Amino acid sequence: EIVLTQSPATLSLSPGERATLSCRASQSVSSYLAWYQQKPGQAPRLLIYDASNRATGIPARFSGSGSGTDFTLTISSLEPEDFAVYYCQQRSNWPIFTFGPGTKVDIK
Amino acid sequence: EVQLVESGGGLVKPGGSLRLSCAASGFTFSSYSMNWVRQAPGKGLEWVSSISSSSSYIYYADSVKGRFTISRDNAKNSLYLQMNSLRAEDTAVYYCARDGYNYDYWGQGTLVTVSS
Repeated sequence: EIVLTQSPATLSLSPGERATLSCRASQSVSSYLAWYQQKPGQAPRLLIYDASNRATGIPARFSGSGSGTDFTLTISSLEPEDFAVYYCQQRSNWPIFTFGPGTKVDIK
Repeated sequence: EVQLVESGGGLVKPGGSLRLSCAASGFTFSSYSMNWVRQAPGKGLEWVSSISSSSSYIYYADSVKGRFTISRDNAKNSLYLQMNSLRAEDTAVYYCARDGYNYDYWGQGTLVTVSS
């Protein structure tokens, strides 16, 4: 089973700052990695797929990078609505698409 | 507009059973694999089960294998999860999610609470 770890667990930042979230896989997942955003009481929303492709309707301030075992989600300038929990998910080990434990981005 | 609406959650005693449903609309349901994902209170996301578009391929997480059964009715645009022998650790919000290569659409979730 491919295990995903995310760091940091919590990121405390102010609106307008840059957020950098990390996801590391226990073995290579090539570029088969997605990022989701979840706000309290809501379902997750797909942000990034295949490591670097933004999903439909996702603002350009969200970007993803990486391949193999190390991936990064960057939010270039935090908007108030971006404070949420972010999960990575691998699609390499079909159909068991495991999720990472999440990174909470909260307001400093 | 793509919509996924779960139902069937509730309070059940340990060892009991529950059947969740997910009603799909706004897309050709029979063309997509579908999934159940759960989230325990205050915890992260856990993949539970997947079913291919024609029900030919079905997979379960080890944590639910032998207790849960996923199924679908393409004529009714519906996905199901039959949950038997429920345990306290199955307490979670259960989401259905469309597999449009990624989990591109999710329902709002239905809460299952297993408690005596």
